[in-house]
Amino acid sequence: DGGITQSPKYLFRKEGQNVTLSCEQNLNHDAMYWYRQDPGQGLRLIYYSQIVNDFQKGDIAEGYSVSREKKESFPLTVTSAQKNPTAFYLCASSMFGNTEAFFGQGTRLTVV
Amino acid sequence: KQEVTQIPAALSVPEGENLVLNCSFTDSAIYNLQWFRQDPGKGLTSLLLIQSSQREQTSGRLNASLDKSSGRSTLYIAASQPGDSATYLCAPNEKLTFGTGTRLTIIP
Repeated sequence: DGGITQSPKYLFRKEGQNVTLSCEQNLNHDAMYWYRQDPGQGLRLIYYSQIVNDFQKGDIAEGYSVSREKKESFPLTVTSAQKNPTAFYLCASSMFGNTEAFFGQGTRLTVV
Repeated sequence: KQEVTQIPAALSVPEGENLVLNCSFTDSAIYNLQWFRQDPGKGLTSLLLIQSSQREQTSGRLNASLDKSSGRSTLYIAASQPGDSATYLCAPNEKLTFGTGTRLTIIP
């Protein structure tokens, strides 16, 4: 069953703790993306990667970090430096940049 | 920097009507444009991808057009159904820049 899997669906963390969101795809896609969505706002790009062991900052990378050690995995770490981490996080992938993109079902992170 | 605007922000129509959703973008140097739908609390579902060399793309009751020179795309939904109720987003496929979308409600 091909697709993009984000886990967990819901995540709760205490303020000041780092937390890692998982994104795995078995579509053999080269490019992967992380977005953040806040209520009433559009999706904003955090980081993207077009090839293993390489990634670039998006529009709102501060307070986040990523790694791309394997083609199928692109985990996102929300660090304690992120001032307002509570949001809905979405991961996407595409064969390469500028081709059809597919999204996971998202992780809702709540920091208390 | 690419900016995307979708008008209207919200739209309610009776079931069975045909409707048009609008998308405009500021940088016309795009390779393609993708339309998505998002149900509340869910991820995005890809609806249509229009290549920059195409003018239109169709899938079932959906038809999307692209005019690169004017920075506009439209999504036409024929014979709307309650199941079409969702937020619709467009994204030029250049790192997928999104606007805030159009929240569509189909009234039974």
